[in-house]
Amino acid sequence: AAGVIQSPRHLIKEKRETATLKCYPIPRHDTVYWYQQGPGQDPQFLISFYEKMQSDKGSIPDRFSAQQFSDYHSELNMSSLELGDSALYFCASSSQGGVETQYFGPGTRLLVL
Amino acid sequence: DAKTTQPPSMDCAEGRAANLPCNHSTISGNEYVYWYRQIHSQGPQYIIHGLKNNETNEMASLIITEDRKSSTLILPHATLRDTAVYYCIVRVGGSARQLTFGSGTQLTVLP
Repeated sequence: AAGVIQSPRHLIKEKRETATLKCYPIPRHDTVYWYQQGPGQDPQFLISFYEKMQSDKGSIPDRFSAQQFSDYHSELNMSSLELGDSALYFCASSSQGGVETQYFGPGTRLLVL
Repeated sequence: DAKTTQPPSMDCAEGRAANLPCNHSTISGNEYVYWYRQIHSQGPQYIIHGLKNNETNEMASLIITEDRKSSTLILPHATLRDTAVYYCIVRVGGSARQLTFGSGTQLTVLP
């Protein structure tokens, strides 16, 4: 079965640079979520989108923005990168209606030097 | 969403059943119990969910007490590949709401 696709899988950036992470949800899923997992920590929710509209917001820094496009894929834009932004970034997708189980992608590992 | 409490770690012998407990004493009537697991640095993997009835799928069984204040995830025949952090999450179904991950239980399956 098709799964959530994230790209790139690995990314190395310098401080103060920008990064764009992409997420392609499972076909026919209309909701996308972004989570951040720092070293030794549990995943923390950043933001979610349903039908291209922001639906929930967590502890996302103001330097980060995200959007969902008409084909339901989503992009997380990160500017003025800091060393503390080094983390795994997971995208999950779900289909609204019913229980709405979230399925996660393999993640993007971001390293800020 | 209701808070959950899980033991930080558990061991299980390969081939035996692994029983992972979770307390969620403040759960509301419309909140589901979800279980996910994360094998080192991989994306969290959905295992099972339930509202009040016991549930079983190809991966595991979920036993929810009658008062819904606790639950147990059962892996019937644990293998080395089941070594992971297991998260019990309580959440209202629908409406694109976040999953709130607690610290989970590190299950180690021993040969």
